[in-house]
Amino acid sequence: EDKVVQSPLSLVVHEGDTVTLNCSYEVTNFRSLLWYKQEKKAPTFLFMLTSSGIEKKSGRLSSILDKKELFSILNITATQTGDSAVYLCAAYSGAGSYQLTFGKGTKLSVIP
Amino acid sequence: NAGVTQTPKFRILKIGQSMTLQCTQDMNHNYMYWYRQDPGMGLKLIYYSVGAGITDKGEVPNGYNVSRSTTEDFPLRLELAAPSQTSVYFCASTAGGGYGYTFGSGTRLTVV
Repeated sequence: EDKVVQSPLSLVVHEGDTVTLNCSYEVTNFRSLLWYKQEKKAPTFLFMLTSSGIEKKSGRLSSILDKKELFSILNITATQTGDSAVYLCAAYSGAGSYQLTFGKGTKLSVIP
Repeated sequence: NAGVTQTPKFRILKIGQSMTLQCTQDMNHNYMYWYRQDPGMGLKLIYYSVGAGITDKGEVPNGYNVSRSTTEDFPLRLELAAPSQTSVYFCASTAGGGYGYTFGSGTRLTVV
């Protein structure tokens, strides 16, 4: 059974802090790993990682994949209250249906 | 450019009632999915479809049915609603090839 595990499940930080969110996966015929941000509505896409060791970056957010150790991290630097959300990690398997297996999410709360 | 449209946004059902959650996409995506999201539990796959006329069960299909008569539409049918089906339901689609999903805005369903 495919599995994606995120840690921590929740996190409270002060504005300006740097946070690291973790995601480990066990997926048959792994293809790629995705990060989403969810703010009380539908998840919005952040990154897709396919190659190991290559960092993807968007503003204060960055993510990297380690295919040998089967994990990914999402870093957020200089956090802002607008970063408060649930961050979901999901993995594509190699099956032709392009199913995504999601982790439970990390709830990030950024306080002023 | 509507993307993925879900209706209704909210619904309250009584135990034993039935209903259909509608999902339509205008991106000509072959792959469509129904997920449910319970608090703190990430997203779990109910059913998916890889093209018109082809559907298959996901991780939590019991109590649900789907059909895919056209590329655009992928309705989810709840028969004999139960309190355990209280959840937020998301429809999603993708063109495949490892692209991320496009999500609908979700349907919040309460069964009382």
